[in-house]
Amino acid sequence: RKEVEQDPGPFNVPEGATVAFNCTYSNSASQSFFWYRQDCRKEPKLLMSVYSSGNEDGRFTAQLNRASQYISLLIRDSKLSDSATYLCVVNIYDYKLSFGAGTTVTVRA
Amino acid sequence: DTAVSQTPKYLVTQMGNDKSIKCEQNLGHDTMYWYKQDSKKFLKIMFSYNNKELIINETVPNRFSPKSPDKAHLNLHINSLELGDSAVYFCASSQSADSSNEKLFFGSGTQLSVL
Repeated sequence: RKEVEQDPGPFNVPEGATVAFNCTYSNSASQSFFWYRQDCRKEPKLLMSVYSSGNEDGRFTAQLNRASQYISLLIRDSKLSDSATYLCVVNIYDYKLSFGAGTTVTVRA
Repeated sequence: DTAVSQTPKYLVTQMGNDKSIKCEQNLGHDTMYWYKQDSKKFLKIMFSYNNKELIINETVPNRFSPKSPDKAHLNLHINSLELGDSAVYFCASSQSADSSNEKLFFGSGTQLSVL
């Protein structure tokens, strides 16, 4: 089983729609979780950390479900500029972060 | 000012050649990394250095040798390049090696194509 798995998508949604997707992780001892955003042919950039109680950052909401070992990202009121690949990142042990292959979101006008 | 800069941006070379990629960060961070992103888009860590000391060395062929002359620089030298080495290589840095709390800052990547 891969350390971090994501639905690759793509998720094609109209502007203003809500889109949500999950990421599962294999190591139940993982403590830290993040969502990074990667635009085509660009470097990944941190979107948000994921806290145990769930957290919001504007139109973005992240949730953690430890029992089922997954995290989720929900994007409300999608904008064209939200089109990107969203990378799930999990701290596997000590200093190592493991990246998922990403979920591609395309927002259409 | 670019926070994490790596050069070259593109590198096209023949099989069997030796090449280097350079990385510099001006953020004052203690920890630097090399990641490889293959055609399937997985970002996999290759190496990590904390204050010039190697702390992560994943299962990477010996042909790959990182060098950190100081904590602001982490270069990657690759010997005897193979077709399978073709990928995008990202340098990154973080304030400390504690990945549980640290934001990674990535360079813009080096697209390596081995012909």
